[in-house]
Amino acid sequence: QKEVEQDPGPLSVPEGAIVSLNCTYSNSAFQYFMWYRQYSRKGPELLMYTYSSGNKEDGRFTAQVDKSSKYISLFIRDSQPSDSATYLCATTTGNQFYFGTGTSLTVIP
Amino acid sequence: GAVVSQHPSRVICKSGTSVKIECRSLDFQATTMFWYRQFPKQSLMLMATSNEGSKATYEQGVEKDKFLINHASLTLSTLTVTSAHPEDSSFYICSARGGAGVTDTQYFGPGTRLTVL
Repeated sequence: QKEVEQDPGPLSVPEGAIVSLNCTYSNSAFQYFMWYRQYSRKGPELLMYTYSSGNKEDGRFTAQVDKSSKYISLFIRDSQPSDSATYLCATTTGNQFYFGTGTSLTVIP
Repeated sequence: GAVVSQHPSRVICKSGTSVKIECRSLDFQATTMFWYRQFPKQSLMLMATSNEGSKATYEQGVEKDKFLINHASLTLSTLTVTSAHPEDSSFYICSARGGAGVTDTQYFGPGTRLTVL
């Protein structure tokens, strides 16, 4: 079992929709979770990070961690065409990083 | 925020030549730098991890004599693809982190697209 599992999509939504991106993880010891956004032909950029359980909001983006089900989510409200990218979830033990395979999102104008 | 730069952004070379890619952390000291490779529409593949002043740790299946990594300072790491061949054509991305704590995340460079003719 991989440390982090992510549905690769692709996911296609109309502009203005709420997008839900999800990952599951295997090790209950993981506490620090990140979401990266990667545009085509660019390096990933850190979008959000959360420590332990709960929600974290930043503008249209909300990161959520449910430790009981080992589930992490990224919600995008009022999605825009500029949100079209690949989104990667990740976690770390400090020594090792584990990345999901990425979910490709297209927001259609 | 933490900024990581990479140079060059794109390189085209002939088969058999060596190519050096630089990765710099611009506004923080990177105790650890990572080198990734990414094929089109695929996920990141970690190639190696390097700590300043010590030898890089390569992932299984990555040839250390072909992909030479030097982490000479806390702000600079280089990846040299030696005797490059067309199958080495890929998108190479570096990342850096400032510490080894669980909350020290990775910040990625913009990537270098290598094309070997």
